[in-house]
Amino acid sequence: GNSVTQMEGPVTLSEEAFLTINCTYTATGYPSLFWYVQYPGEGLQLLLKATKADDKGSNKGFEATYRKETTSFHLEKGSVQVSDSAVYFCALSPNSGYSTLTFGKGTMLLVSP
Amino acid sequence: EPEVTQTPSHQVTQMGQEVILRCVPISNHLYFYWYRQILGQKVEFLVSFYNNEISEKSEIFDDQFSVERPDGSNFTLKIRSTKLEDSAMYFCASRDLSSRLLANYGYTFGSGTRLTVV
Repeated sequence: GNSVTQMEGPVTLSEEAFLTINCTYTATGYPSLFWYVQYPGEGLQLLLKATKADDKGSNKGFEATYRKETTSFHLEKGSVQVSDSAVYFCALSPNSGYSTLTFGKGTMLLVSP
Repeated sequence: EPEVTQTPSHQVTQMGQEVILRCVPISNHLYFYWYRQILGQKVEFLVSFYNNEISEKSEIFDDQFSVERPDGSNFTLKIRSTKLEDSAMYFCASRDLSSRLLANYGYTFGSGTRLTVV
Protein backbone atom coordinates (compact mmCIF):
# COMPACT_ATOMS: atom_id res chain seq x y z
CA GLY A 1 0.00 0.00 0.00
CA ASN A 2 0.91 3.66 -0.06
CA SER A 3 2.83 5.19 2.80
CA VAL A 4 4.66 8.38 3.69
CA THR A 5 7.49 8.63 6.17
CA GLN A 6 8.55 11.96 7.66
CA MET A 7 11.34 12.83 9.99
CA GLU A 8 10.36 12.96 13.62
CA GLY A 9 9.93 16.31 15.26
CA PRO A 10 9.93 18.72 16.77
CA VAL A 11 12.48 20.57 14.71
CA THR A 12 13.76 23.57 16.63
CA LEU A 13 15.54 26.34 14.73
CA SER A 14 16.58 29.93 15.22
CA GLU A 15 15.20 32.58 12.90
CA GLU A 16 17.02 32.75 9.54
CA ALA A 17 18.31 29.18 9.83
CA PHE A 18 18.08 26.72 6.95
CA LEU A 19 15.27 24.19 7.12
CA THR A 20 15.05 20.67 5.78
CA ILE A 21 12.23 18.29 6.62
CA ASN A 22 12.74 14.88 5.07
CA CYS A 23 9.94 12.96 3.43
CA THR A 24 10.07 9.63 1.63
CA TYR A 25 7.22 7.68 0.16
CA THR A 26 6.15 4.29 -1.05
CA ALA A 27 3.60 4.11 -3.80
CA THR A 28 2.77 2.29 -6.97
CA GLY A 29 2.83 4.25 -10.17
CA TYR A 30 3.42 7.97 -10.24
CA PRO A 31 1.65 9.76 -7.42
CA SER A 32 1.31 13.47 -6.87
CA LEU A 33 3.15 14.76 -3.83
CA PHE A 34 2.15 17.52 -1.47
CA TRP A 35 3.25 19.46 1.55
CA TYR A 36 0.49 20.73 3.81
CA VAL A 37 0.93 23.11 6.73
CA GLN A 38 -1.17 23.39 9.86
CA TYR A 39 -0.70 26.55 11.88
CA PRO A 40 -1.73 26.46 15.55
CA GLY A 41 -5.50 26.29 15.87
CA GLU A 42 -6.08 26.20 12.13
CA GLY A 43 -6.85 23.65 9.45
CA LEU A 44 -4.72 22.13 6.75
CA GLN A 45 -3.42 24.41 4.05
CA LEU A 46 -1.73 23.30 0.88
CA LEU A 47 1.80 24.66 0.90
CA LEU A 48 3.12 23.25 -2.35
CA LYS A 49 2.76 20.32 -4.69
CA ALA A 50 4.49 18.44 -7.50
CA THR A 51 2.74 16.13 -9.87
CA LYS A 52 5.55 14.40 -11.76
CA ALA A 53 9.17 13.42 -11.38
CA ASP A 54 11.70 16.26 -11.21
CA ASP A 55 8.98 18.86 -10.70
CA LYS A 56 9.80 21.47 -8.08
CA GLY A 57 6.97 22.86 -6.02
CA SER A 58 7.52 26.22 -4.38
CA ASN A 59 5.57 28.70 -2.28
CA LYS A 60 6.36 31.32 0.37
CA GLY A 61 10.08 30.56 0.14
CA PHE A 62 9.56 26.82 0.64
CA GLU A 63 10.66 24.34 -2.02
CA ALA A 64 10.46 20.61 -2.58
CA THR A 65 11.61 18.54 -5.55
CA TYR A 66 9.94 15.30 -6.61
CA ARG A 67 12.76 12.75 -6.75
CA LYS A 68 11.51 9.48 -8.15
CA GLU A 69 14.91 7.78 -7.98
CA THR A 70 15.06 8.27 -4.22
CA THR A 71 11.27 8.37 -3.69
CA SER A 72 11.68 11.59 -1.76
CA PHE A 73 10.06 15.00 -1.51
CA HIS A 74 12.10 16.88 1.07
CA LEU A 75 10.90 20.31 2.16
CA GLU A 76 13.46 23.12 2.31
CA LYS A 77 13.57 26.80 3.14
CA GLY A 78 16.65 28.94 3.09
CA SER A 79 15.76 31.25 5.97
CA VAL A 80 12.93 30.43 8.36
CA GLN A 81 10.86 32.97 10.26
CA VAL A 82 9.07 32.74 13.58
CA SER A 83 5.80 32.79 11.63
CA ASP A 84 6.78 29.49 9.96
CA SER A 85 6.23 27.68 13.25
CA ALA A 86 3.64 25.05 12.43
CA VAL A 87 3.16 21.35 11.75
CA TYR A 88 4.15 20.25 8.26
CA PHE A 89 2.61 17.20 6.64
CA CYS A 90 3.95 15.39 3.62
CA ALA A 91 1.29 13.59 1.61
CA LEU A 92 0.75 11.68 -1.59
CA SER A 93 -2.17 10.99 -3.83
CA PRO A 94 -2.30 8.47 -6.65
CA ASN A 95 -3.29 10.12 -9.89
CA SER A 96 -6.59 8.37 -10.33
CA GLY A 97 -10.17 9.43 -9.92
CA TYR A 98 -11.09 8.50 -6.39
CA SER A 99 -7.62 8.65 -4.95
CA THR A 100 -7.24 9.62 -1.34
CA LEU A 101 -4.44 11.41 0.42
CA THR A 102 -2.02 9.42 2.50
CA PHE A 103 -0.32 11.59 5.08
CA GLY A 104 2.86 11.33 7.01
CA LYS A 105 2.69 11.80 10.76
CA GLY A 106 3.62 15.46 10.55
CA THR A 107 6.68 17.33 11.72
CA MET A 108 6.39 20.20 14.14
CA LEU A 109 8.66 23.15 13.40
CA LEU A 110 9.44 25.62 16.17
CA VAL A 111 11.31 28.78 15.19
CA SER A 112 12.65 31.04 17.91
CA PRO A 113 13.67 34.70 17.49
CA GLU B 1 -9.91 32.30 -3.62
CA PRO B 2 -12.67 29.69 -3.25
CA GLU B 3 -12.92 28.06 0.15
CA VAL B 4 -14.35 24.96 1.74
CA THR B 5 -16.49 26.02 4.68
CA GLN B 6 -17.10 23.87 7.72
CA THR B 7 -19.54 24.41 10.56
CA PRO B 8 -19.46 24.43 13.50
CA SER B 9 -15.83 25.12 14.27
CA HIS B 10 -16.14 23.37 17.61
CA GLN B 11 -18.80 21.00 18.91
CA VAL B 12 -19.08 19.37 22.29
CA THR B 13 -21.42 16.43 22.62
CA GLN B 14 -22.25 13.78 25.17
CA MET B 15 -21.28 10.19 24.54
CA GLY B 16 -24.04 8.33 22.74
CA GLN B 17 -25.48 11.40 21.09
CA GLU B 18 -25.74 11.92 17.35
CA VAL B 19 -23.76 14.70 15.70
CA ILE B 20 -23.83 16.13 12.22
CA LEU B 21 -20.81 17.96 10.88
CA ARG B 22 -21.46 20.24 7.95
CA CYS B 23 -19.36 21.26 4.99
CA VAL B 24 -19.87 23.42 1.94
CA PRO B 25 -17.39 22.31 -0.73
CA ILE B 26 -16.17 24.47 -3.58
CA SER B 27 -19.01 24.75 -6.03
CA ASN B 28 -17.43 23.26 -9.15
CA HIS B 29 -15.63 20.44 -7.39
CA LEU B 30 -16.78 16.89 -7.98
CA TYR B 31 -15.13 14.83 -5.26
CA PHE B 32 -15.69 15.25 -1.56
CA TYR B 33 -13.86 13.81 1.40
CA TRP B 34 -13.81 13.57 5.15
CA TYR B 35 -10.57 13.16 7.06
CA ARG B 36 -9.94 13.27 10.77
CA GLN B 37 -7.02 13.98 13.05
CA ILE B 38 -7.02 12.71 16.58
CA LEU B 39 -4.98 15.03 18.74
CA GLY B 40 -1.26 14.41 18.24
CA GLN B 41 -1.77 11.80 15.56
CA LYS B 42 -1.69 11.81 11.79
CA VAL B 43 -4.49 12.85 9.53
CA GLU B 44 -6.54 9.80 8.52
CA PHE B 45 -8.84 9.26 5.59
CA LEU B 46 -12.47 8.43 6.42
CA VAL B 47 -14.52 8.51 3.23
CA SER B 48 -14.73 9.85 -0.30
CA PHE B 49 -17.90 10.72 -2.15
CA TYR B 50 -18.58 11.14 -5.83
CA ASN B 51 -21.70 11.26 -7.93
CA ASN B 52 -23.92 11.02 -4.85
CA GLU B 53 -22.42 7.87 -3.48
CA ILE B 54 -19.50 6.69 -1.41
CA SER B 55 -16.59 5.82 -3.65
CA GLU B 56 -14.13 4.69 -1.01
CA LYS B 57 -14.06 4.35 2.76
CA SER B 58 -11.55 3.38 5.38
CA GLU B 59 -11.82 0.84 8.19
CA ILE B 60 -12.57 3.72 10.54
CA PHE B 61 -15.77 4.52 8.66
CA ASP B 62 -18.01 1.90 10.24
CA ASP B 63 -21.79 1.71 10.53
CA GLN B 64 -21.82 4.57 13.03
CA PHE B 65 -20.77 6.96 10.28
CA SER B 66 -22.72 8.16 7.28
CA VAL B 67 -22.34 10.91 4.70
CA GLU B 68 -24.89 12.75 2.67
CA ARG B 69 -25.17 15.50 0.12
CA PRO B 70 -28.71 16.62 0.92
CA ASP B 71 -28.76 19.46 -1.58
CA GLY B 72 -26.51 20.94 -4.21
CA SER B 73 -24.15 22.60 -1.80
CA ASN B 74 -23.86 20.86 1.58
CA PHE B 75 -21.91 17.71 2.39
CA THR B 76 -22.49 16.25 5.85
CA LEU B 77 -20.88 13.66 8.10
CA LYS B 78 -23.14 12.05 10.68
CA ILE B 79 -21.97 10.06 13.66
CA ARG B 80 -24.96 8.19 15.05
CA SER B 81 -23.81 7.38 18.56
CA THR B 82 -20.63 9.16 19.49
CA LYS B 83 -17.89 7.53 21.50
CA LEU B 84 -15.09 9.15 23.45
CA GLU B 85 -12.60 7.99 20.81
CA ASP B 86 -14.47 9.95 18.15
CA SER B 87 -13.03 13.13 19.65
CA ALA B 88 -10.91 14.61 16.89
CA MET B 89 -10.60 17.37 14.35
CA TYR B 90 -12.70 16.51 11.32
CA PHE B 91 -11.68 17.98 8.00
CA CYS B 92 -13.81 18.21 4.93
CA ALA B 93 -12.10 18.52 1.56
CA SER B 94 -13.11 18.82 -2.04
CA ARG B 95 -11.20 18.21 -5.17
CA ASP B 96 -11.46 19.31 -8.76
CA LEU B 97 -10.88 16.53 -11.22
CA SER B 98 -12.96 18.03 -13.97
CA SER B 99 -9.83 19.40 -15.56
CA ARG B 100 -7.40 17.19 -17.42
CA LEU B 101 -4.49 19.18 -16.02
CA LEU B 102 -2.65 17.28 -13.31
CA ALA B 103 -1.92 20.55 -11.57
CA ASN B 104 -5.56 20.76 -10.54
CA TYR B 105 -5.55 17.46 -8.70
CA GLY B 106 -4.93 19.06 -5.33
CA TYR B 107 -7.38 19.11 -2.47
CA THR B 108 -8.84 22.12 -0.75
CA PHE B 109 -9.45 21.53 2.93
CA GLY B 110 -11.81 23.31 5.24
CA SER B 111 -10.57 24.68 8.55
CA GLY B 112 -12.05 21.75 10.42
CA THR B 113 -14.58 20.99 13.14
CA ARG B 114 -13.15 20.08 16.50
CA LEU B 115 -15.45 17.45 17.99
CA THR B 116 -15.18 16.80 21.70
CA VAL B 117 -17.12 13.87 23.11
CA VAL B 118 -17.58 13.97 26.87
